[in-house]
Amino acid sequence: QQQVKQSPQSLIVQKGGISIINCAYENTAFDYFPWYQQFPGKGPALLIAIRPDVSEKKEGRFTISFNKSAKQFSLHIMDSQPGDSATYFCAASKDDYKLSFGAGTTVTVRA
Amino acid sequence: DGGITQSPKYLFRKEGQNVTLSCEQNLNHDAMYWYRQDPGQGLRLIYYSQIVNDFQKGDIAEGYSVSREKKESFPLTVTSAQKNPTAFYLCASGLANEQFFGPGTRLTVL
Repeated sequence: QQQVKQSPQSLIVQKGGISIINCAYENTAFDYFPWYQQFPGKGPALLIAIRPDVSEKKEGRFTISFNKSAKQFSLHIMDSQPGDSATYFCAASKDDYKLSFGAGTTVTVRA
Repeated sequence: DGGITQSPKYLFRKEGQNVTLSCEQNLNHDAMYWYRQDPGQGLRLIYYSQIVNDFQKGDIAEGYSVSREKKESFPLTVTSAQKNPTAFYLCASGLANEQFFGPGTRLTVL
């Protein structure tokens, strides 16, 4: 049973638009929430991460919003570009080693 | 070039045969991991190793085995006991705050 629930499964956005991916968790022991980006045929790579002591973190066009009381966090991709087309995974961790991943969201950016 | 290598990229095996997937890293990481990726299910942890000569079961360890005799290497054996072995297998190293992934091995059991 998945400890981190991710939605939507896929989304299509026009170039320049905003992509939004949502994740929810139940285990309040989680204290680290990363997002990974995976291109077809490749392994995932860390994109951006947040800890629950902040409500938002921005790196370039990518922003994580974190709502501790709702146990939800989301990834916003601003000004989406065709090169952003990939699968995105949210994850959560409560120790130094294990990550619990969401099911993934495939983002397609149309030119 | 620092990173993680997995070989082979594609692997075909007959049902009932054991198969070993290779994973090597030169990042000097103590911790290494094996994940299985299936469409719509994300990444599921098979086994992980915090240090040489030590490893722990992940969420879906049944039908798999590992060894960790060297810091650089963490091979995964998919045994005939694994009921549905066809999948994309990913090796990673590092701590939870940043895991580095290899390019993966796609295993197909015929």
